[in-house]
Amino acid sequence: ETGVTQTPRHLVMGMTNKKSLKCEQHLGHNAMYWYKQSAKKPLELMFVYSLEERVENNSVPSRFSPECPNSSHLFLHLHTLQPEDSALYLCASSQGNRGGEKLFFGSGTQLSVL
Amino acid sequence: DQQVKQNSPSLSVQEGRISILNCDYTNSMFDYFLWYKKYPAEGPTFLISISSIKDKNEDGRFTVFLNKSAKHLSLHIVPSQPGDSAVYFCAVSTSGTYKYIFGTGTRLKVLA
Repeated sequence: ETGVTQTPRHLVMGMTNKKSLKCEQHLGHNAMYWYKQSAKKPLELMFVYSLEERVENNSVPSRFSPECPNSSHLFLHLHTLQPEDSALYLCASSQGNRGGEKLFFGSGTQLSVL
Repeated sequence: DQQVKQNSPSLSVQEGRISILNCDYTNSMFDYFLWYKKYPAEGPTFLISISSIKDKNEDGRFTVFLNKSAKHLSLHIVPSQPGDSAVYFCAVSTSGTYKYIFGTGTRLKVLA
């Protein structure tokens, strides 16, 4: 148990559906992240929030919409996804940005887009 | 263009022997380097890190070496155990930013 909980663990959705991924951290951290892991590719940073303010946005398509209502919760809203968006979506948190801060990851949501 | 490369997708090592995992990076601005381990159906977990002011950091069976001139880091596991079988990712970051860039991972298999 890393202190970062993601739900759901698995999600299958059609291209016209709207769904949301949820992440909650119980570590008192002030930064939260969304990463995407596709097969045989490195983890790709999607979004970073620090104290509920978005500080990184890595040219992610607008069909992915993040939301950070408070420092413990992070959502990723999904709509009109494409089959190539099928991947493992990982949430992480860290204490700050001094460098070398450990990222604590959740177990991920395995997403399949049909 | 990948800024962090792990050129060996897989590695098999006999139990009790040394495992050496390698990672190369391109940008000398990176000043923190981390290793993560990932088991199937779990998120990556932090293993060990090193800052650019050091060339070695040791934690039990795990040692990370940093060669700044070669832009190369390695993770040594001695002795290797079957429970070490996992995918290992190196990651780099620059202090003051929230950007961690990961490699593609090396799958380590420790044979009993």
